[in-house]
Amino acid sequence: GAGVSQSPSNKVTEKGKDVELRCDPISGHTALYWYRQSLGQGLEFLIYFQGNSAPDKSGLPSDRFSAERTGGSVSTLTIQRTQQEDSAVYLCASSPTSDRSEQFFGPGTRLTVL
Amino acid sequence: QKEVEQDPGPLSVPEGAIVSLNCTYSNSAFQYFMWYRQYSRKGPELLMYTYSSGNKEDGRFTAQVDKSSKYISLFIRDSQPSDSATYLCAMGGGGSYIPTFGRGTSLIVHP
Repeated sequence: GAGVSQSPSNKVTEKGKDVELRCDPISGHTALYWYRQSLGQGLEFLIYFQGNSAPDKSGLPSDRFSAERTGGSVSTLTIQRTQQEDSAVYLCASSPTSDRSEQFFGPGTRLTVL
Repeated sequence: QKEVEQDPGPLSVPEGAIVSLNCTYSNSAFQYFMWYRQYSRKGPELLMYTYSSGNKEDGRFTAQVDKSSKYISLFIRDSQPSDSATYLCAMGGGGSYIPTFGRGTSLIVHP
């Protein structure tokens, strides 16, 4: 079956511009996560969605970052007024239930801020 | 001390060797333990998922969890050059829906 998909695969933008990153989770998965992975670094948790519950935004690094999930499926991560330190790979993962941590990752979006 | 410790490597082994990858952790509430493989410029791929202590085998891969020592391992038998990747451990549970990841170990299997 189809896995998690993300678009675009690569995004180059200028400092100060806004960007939107998209994630299509596996059908039927109720939980969705966004992570950021910088070169040589581990996975940095950003935000978690579970069904219709309020998202856990505790990992968002600043108020320039926001995310939404429409209809319990597709999610969009928005970064406003991008900075060079935002350059990283942004990974999305989905999970079949909320009480297990088993996650399936998408291929990621490589963001470069010039 | 980080919640999950994982040696970044790189670990370089000859083809055919048995590889041992390890993580230690400090949170005794963790119940689920996972290993992911991540090839360069790709997303992490779930390899093994285990619950609580014990062993789990899948082909050339064996995951081992020792909760009393807060130590998990991934063994790869008959390693192949195609196993060259970064291996991330992750663990979760204990009331949190957000797993904690190690920083990953880079493995190089040379022919």
